[in-house]
Amino acid sequence: AQSVTQPDIHITVSEGASLELRCNYSYGATPYLFWYVQSPGQGLQLLLKYFSGDTLVQGIKGFEAEFKRSQSSFNLRKPSVHWSDAAEYFCAVGAPNGNKLVFGAGTILRVKS
Amino acid sequence: EAGVTQFPSHSVIEKGQTVTLRCDPISGHDNLYWYRRVMGKEIKFLLHFVKESKQDESGMPNNRFLAERTGGTYSTLKVQPAELEDSGVYFCASSTQGYEQYFGPGTRLTVT
Repeated sequence: AQSVTQPDIHITVSEGASLELRCNYSYGATPYLFWYVQSPGQGLQLLLKYFSGDTLVQGIKGFEAEFKRSQSSFNLRKPSVHWSDAAEYFCAVGAPNGNKLVFGAGTILRVKS
Repeated sequence: EAGVTQFPSHSVIEKGQTVTLRCDPISGHDNLYWYRRVMGKEIKFLLHFVKESKQDESGMPNNRFLAERTGGTYSTLKVQPAELEDSGVYFCASSTQGYEQYFGPGTRLTVT
């Protein structure tokens, strides 16, 4: 069965500092991988996705993620965090047939000035 | 282009009552999904429509939940009768080919 683990429930970083949010998945084949963000009072917004090809993918708002098959990981990174990045971040895995997504528990990012 | 919309944004009902949630997908999106997040838990898949047909309803918790998508456009999710454990945020998403799902803002359901 597919599963996603986000080991960090809360992370606090200083504005301007770098960020890495961890995501590990369990899936029998090459999955489709996603990162979503939910800002307070908003819906889920897709940050980036990996289907195939280059393992380093660029997303919106200056985020990137790297797919590492050997580690079953898809960590999200940003070189310099802005206060507006404070939100909850979800990693998700989907099957290539385009059906359901399986989500991690989410990581709440707090940005301190 | 309008995004996925959900109505209501928040609903408070008493245990035993009925609630109907509505989702309007992005125009032209044949795939429509329902998910739920119970407090402190992961976002969980409920079901998937392709046009008006249920492609996968393996995540529906029990027969108190009924989802419909008449005409392949908007969808409703009815909970009858509601129980305390049904409280949470219900998300709807839509997609074209299914790989990239666009989510609505969610409906927060509180059962008291």
